[in-house]
Amino acid sequence: ETGVTQSPTHLIKTRGQQVTLRCSSQSGHNTVSWYQQALGQGPQFIFQYYREEENGRGNFPPRFSGLQFPNYSSELNVNALELDDSALYLCASSSNRGIYEKLFFGSGTQLSVL
Amino acid sequence: EDQVTQSPEALRLQEGESSSLNCSYTVSGLRGLFWYRQDPGKGPEFLFTLYSAGEEKEKERLKATLTKKESFLHITAPKPEDSATYLCAVQISGGGADGLTFGKGTHLIIQP
Repeated sequence: ETGVTQSPTHLIKTRGQQVTLRCSSQSGHNTVSWYQQALGQGPQFIFQYYREEENGRGNFPPRFSGLQFPNYSSELNVNALELDDSALYLCASSSNRGIYEKLFFGSGTQLSVL
Repeated sequence: EDQVTQSPEALRLQEGESSSLNCSYTVSGLRGLFWYRQDPGKGPEFLFTLYSAGEEKEKERLKATLTKKESFLHITAPKPEDSATYLCAVQISGGGADGLTFGKGTHLIIQP
């Protein structure tokens, strides 16, 4: 059983650029969630995908968007990067829309916006 | 507004010195309360889920308890390998999003 893998591990971008982060879910999981974790803070929920549809979103602007593919892998896209977007981006997978279920997190992508 | 507050922010203990971490929450409806452990450079690792007041769960040196307003993570005779940031999170019922609301965490250091 493979765990949740994210790529790349580190990324440096300039303000105004666009970025795509990737996540491969744990085998057998059909739900993926993305979280943003700023330094010294707890993770903040961005959105969740279940069977390729977005089915929940936190308090993040539309420039944060995502995709889930038929093999349940996922992408997080951020347009028009701002300095405050610098953070650790975590992907988490689960098997039942995350309800009453534990989440399995990847090690994250550390994004730095200069 | 739903809130999760953890205390203390940081805690330094000697090996074998037991203590408790606190997580207080203010939510409109609790579906579940979660505890995670996060090591530096890694994603959070699941520890426990608690669903109703009075519930308790144990794993090795850790024990989690839940009341109607707070949860405690008790650590008994900790070892240096228990050093990590411990995160508390809640999942609310009735909301459109199924995401977790996390606290800021307690950074625990166990000195040998």
